[in-house]
Amino acid sequence: EVQLVESGGGLIQPGGSLRLSCAASGFTVSTNYMSWIRQAPGRGLEWVSNIYSDDNTYYTDSVKGRFTISRGNSENTLYLQMNSLRAEDTAVYYCARQRPVAGPFDYWGRGTLVTVSS
Amino acid sequence: QSALTQPASVSGSPGQSITISCTGTSSDVGAYNHVSWYQQYPGQAPKLKIFDVNKRPSGVSNRFSGSKSGNTASLTISGLQAEDEADYFCCSYAGTRIWVFGGGTKVTVL
Repeated sequence: EVQLVESGGGLIQPGGSLRLSCAASGFTVSTNYMSWIRQAPGRGLEWVSNIYSDDNTYYTDSVKGRFTISRGNSENTLYLQMNSLRAEDTAVYYCARQRPVAGPFDYWGRGTLVTVSS
Repeated sequence: QSALTQPASVSGSPGQSITISCTGTSSDVGAYNHVSWYQQYPGQAPKLKIFDVNKRPSGVSNRFSGSKSGNTASLTISGLQAEDEADYFCCSYAGTRIWVFGGGTKVTVL
């Protein structure tokens, strides 16, 4: 059974850093396309970043240069390093598996809440 | 990377059919047949209901169907049931490995 479990969220001051983790089971992270998608309180979904099986990474414009997506192959875990956090980064962050090449996000975790506030 | 436009809410009575629209541009919805739809209950993770405009994943009821015309995609739920009351989001590939979501539509079963 495919499962994704996010962790690492919390309350952080503006300008701070946080690393989110997404532990996967039932499939191998390194051979799949993986994504981070966020949802601000009361708002819609926003795609944040992808990492593909060929190690290429992609980001939405608002997080370029601040966020880094990566994976730990031995741990079968996806990560999102978030630096220079802003109030507008406040959201529930979901990790999701994506079907190649331009496929849908077929499995999602339950999310972890990041709150950026002083 | 502008969000796709969805109506804020749609409602219907049990047994009726409803349609949710998702309007993008010629750079996303109009350019690619990679439109997907997700159902989300409060406090839960989204669940894939439709992909590639009109394909259903295994296990999804055939009461859910998708279509596209020009820059607008649509999700139709037929034979509306109480369990269909949820938020629905559309998503489209926008080229250069970028994805864009809609703002979401709250479906209410009257």
